[in-house]
Amino acid sequence: AQSVTQLDSQVPVFEEAPVELRCNYSSSVSVYLFWYVQYPNQGLQLLLKYLSGSTLVKGINGFEAEFNKSQTSFHLRKPSVHISDTAEYFCAYQTGANNLFFGTGTRLTVIP
Amino acid sequence: KAGVTQTPRYLIKTRGQQVTLSCSPISGHRSVSWYQQTPGQGLQFLFEYFSETQRNKGNFPGRFSGRQFSNSRSEMNVSTLELGDSALYLCASSLGRVGSGEQYFGPGTRLTVT
Repeated sequence: AQSVTQLDSQVPVFEEAPVELRCNYSSSVSVYLFWYVQYPNQGLQLLLKYLSGSTLVKGINGFEAEFNKSQTSFHLRKPSVHISDTAEYFCAYQTGANNLFFGTGTRLTVIP
Repeated sequence: KAGVTQTPRYLIKTRGQQVTLSCSPISGHRSVSWYQQTPGQGLQFLFEYFSETQRNKGNFPGRFSGRQFSNSRSEMNVSTLELGDSALYLCASSLGRVGSGEQYFGPGTRLTVT
């Protein structure tokens, strides 16, 4: 069976500091991996996706993620966070169907 | 291009009642998926409709049902509401190709069951 695990439920970080949100996946078949962000009282927005090819994926708002097959990880990073990055972040995967399976989420809080 | 719209945004119902939620996808998108988001269970897939047919289904009881119309608009129905059905229900639209990842989410309908 496939799954994604988000290792941190909450991550506090000071403004302009770097951040890494961790996601590990488990799958015996090829999966597509995604990071979504959810701002308060809103739906989900796609930050970035890994389908194939280059393992370093750049997304919107300065975020990037690296697909690491040997460590089965897909961690999300940003070199310098802003107050506006405060939100919930979800790692997700997709296999043979169109639906997404989500991790439990990581609440990122940027401290002024 | 208009985004995904969901109506109503907020809803309060009583146990035992039924409810219908509506989702209008992005123009040109033929796939609509529904997700339930709760603090305890997180984001869970309910079902997907593609070209008016249910293409995929999650692990939810039969009280949860849906349909899709010829214009791709979708409705989700929950019958005999239970307290545990209180959640944010999210609809996502896409072209329907696996692996594209381009699922666009609406703002959700927050359902409270009392």
